[in-house]
Amino acid sequence: DQQVKQNSPSLSVQEGRISILNCDYTNSMFDYFLWYKKYPAEGPTFLISISSIKDKNEDGRFTVFLNKSAKHLSLHIVPSQPGDSAVYFCAASGQTGANNLFFGTGTRLTVIP
Amino acid sequence: DAGVTQSPTHLIKTRGQQVTLRCSPKSGHDTVSWYQQALGQGPQFIFQYYEEEERQRGNFPDRFSGHQFPNYSSELNVNALLLGDSALYLCASSLWVSGRGDTQYFGPGTRLTVL
Repeated sequence: DQQVKQNSPSLSVQEGRISILNCDYTNSMFDYFLWYKKYPAEGPTFLISISSIKDKNEDGRFTVFLNKSAKHLSLHIVPSQPGDSAVYFCAASGQTGANNLFFGTGTRLTVIP
Repeated sequence: DAGVTQSPTHLIKTRGQQVTLRCSPKSGHDTVSWYQQALGQGPQFIFQYYEEEERQRGNFPDRFSGHQFPNYSSELNVNALLLGDSALYLCASSLWVSGRGDTQYFGPGTRLTVL
């Protein structure tokens, strides 16, 4: 059973516009969420994270929003750049005593110059 | 500062064989986790090692085993390989934080192909 879901396999955005990537989760025990970016032939690269005690975390062009009641989080990239083109994975953790991450299936973002 | 390193980069094996993959964690990290990423899927957690002990395990059969050494490096062993074991195997390192999520940093992975 997929506990973390990314329902959009792909997204195309014009350079300079906003990219919004969405993620839903089902396990209410999750309390720490991360976004990773992955280029071909490389491992996932950590992008940004958020704890469940917050509803927003910002780092430069990247902002993650968390809606606990809806079990939904989103990653906003503003402005989008061609170098942002990659597969983005949402991940969650938080079971007591565990640090293992549960990943979504990823969203491929293409930023068009 | 060296990041997470994995070896080998690629590996081709035949069904029934055994394979060992290696991982060195990021400097200062003491915890190693292994993930399997099948084509078109997100990484799936295999197990995690801290203080040379398996601390958590995902839904993988006993054919998957591991080891952590005193220098924090780790090995993943897979016995009796099946075609379905073909995947990218990712190692991630982190600092052990009891009970709560810590950022995991990933290596480039080992691409295993089972023929």
